[in-house]
Amino acid sequence: GAGVSQTPSNKVTEKGKYVELRCDPISGHTALYWYRQSLGQGPEFLIYFQGTGAADDSGLPNDRFFAVRPEGSVSTLKIQRTERGDSAVYLCASSLRPDSEQFFGPGTRLTVL
Amino acid sequence: GDSVTQMEGPVTLSEEAFLTINCTYTATGYPSLFWYVQYPGEGLQLLLKATKADDKGSNKGFEATYRKETTSFHLEKGSVQVSDSAVYFCALRDDGGGNMLTFGGGTRLMVKP
Repeated sequence: GAGVSQTPSNKVTEKGKYVELRCDPISGHTALYWYRQSLGQGPEFLIYFQGTGAADDSGLPNDRFFAVRPEGSVSTLKIQRTERGDSAVYLCASSLRPDSEQFFGPGTRLTVL
Repeated sequence: GDSVTQMEGPVTLSEEAFLTINCTYTATGYPSLFWYVQYPGEGLQLLLKATKADDKGSNKGFEATYRKETTSFHLEKGSVQVSDSAVYFCALRDDGGGNMLTFGGGTRLMVKP
């Protein structure tokens, strides 16, 4: 069966550019999470969707980061005016219900030059 | 806020050696505790979990017991194999305060034949 997929797998951009990262959750999973993993560290929570709405966006580092999930399935993480410090692996996870196991995608490695 | 601290790696062991990776946590609520594993080139996978005090999670020969009195969830395996080489992450989910996972920094395990 299909797991969580993320595209692109790698993204290289220049400082100041805008990027979009896409997540396709497991079909039927209502909850979707974005995490960021810097080199040598554990993942850090960014935002959590229940259905179409952002239930908790307390992990977004600043207003350059925004995420949407307009139809309650695919989600897009958007980063404006990228900075070198945004370089990391961005992970998406989904779960059937908010309190059930989270399944992780392979991640998108973002490099800001 | 919630936090997870785990022993720094890398941990290097010979095949069939005993493994312990220490994990302690701080949480304001009543967390569920998890160990995730990341094999080389793969995404995060749930290894085991425990949802309340004194519960023991186990999978693939790995075990961890939820110790509320010491706020710990140490990972153990009696006899490691080369195929266990991976990065291990301890994590908590504060079920009283949200559904996101809070991760430790990860511990790299290297098992030599």
